[in-house]
Amino acid sequence: AQKITQTQPGMFVQEKEAVTLDCTYDTSDQSYGLFWYKQPSSGEMIFLIYQGSYDEQNATEGRYSLNFQKARKSANLVISASQLGDSAMYFCAMRELNSGGSNYKLTFGKGTLLTVNP
Amino acid sequence: AAGVIQSPRHLIKEKRETATLKCYPIPRHDTVYWYQQGPGQDPQFLISFYEKMQSDKGSIPDRFSAQQFSDYHSELNMSSLELGDSALYFCASRKQGRSRAGELFFGEGSRLTVL
Repeated sequence: AQKITQTQPGMFVQEKEAVTLDCTYDTSDQSYGLFWYKQPSSGEMIFLIYQGSYDEQNATEGRYSLNFQKARKSANLVISASQLGDSAMYFCAMRELNSGGSNYKLTFGKGTLLTVNP
Repeated sequence: AAGVIQSPRHLIKEKRETATLKCYPIPRHDTVYWYQQGPGQDPQFLISFYEKMQSDKGSIPDRFSAQQFSDYHSELNMSSLELGDSALYFCASRKQGRSRAGELFFGEGSRLTVL
């Protein structure tokens, strides 16, 4: 069963505007973590922001903020003041324990391709 | 700061050939992950190692094998290559217990093309 859902295959935003990328998740764990990664056309996977399930405040990292709504199981990424260089694929991912409970792995959503228009 | 190093960055092979990808984790990181990302797809977890022992296994084909060596670098061996193996292969590393987030640090990937 898919555990991370990103419903927007593609998004467009004008330069300098804000954009929200949606992510919902499904887990029965009490402790979990949510990540957003950026993947430009060059291919590397760049960490943007992290939110722990017990964090009371929404995470922020510069122009990135995470709108965490635990009851709704959503972890949307908000990018403020978009820049042309923000054009990339964005993946939401969830940290989950392995079957033995001894280690973590990340499970990714299908991604959202963001295009910033000048 | 040192990052995760993957080699080769690009690799072209024929069907039924063998390929080996290498990953050098960030110094003092003890856990290594391998992910496969097909064209237009999300990364799929293949396998992970902690302290040189396999810690978890995902959708890794039987034709693939991997190991982590005493210096913590890891190799992914792929045999009897098929066209569908063409993908970007990521290695990621972390230090267990060190990061609150459990963040995985990714390498730049090795792009395998099977002809």
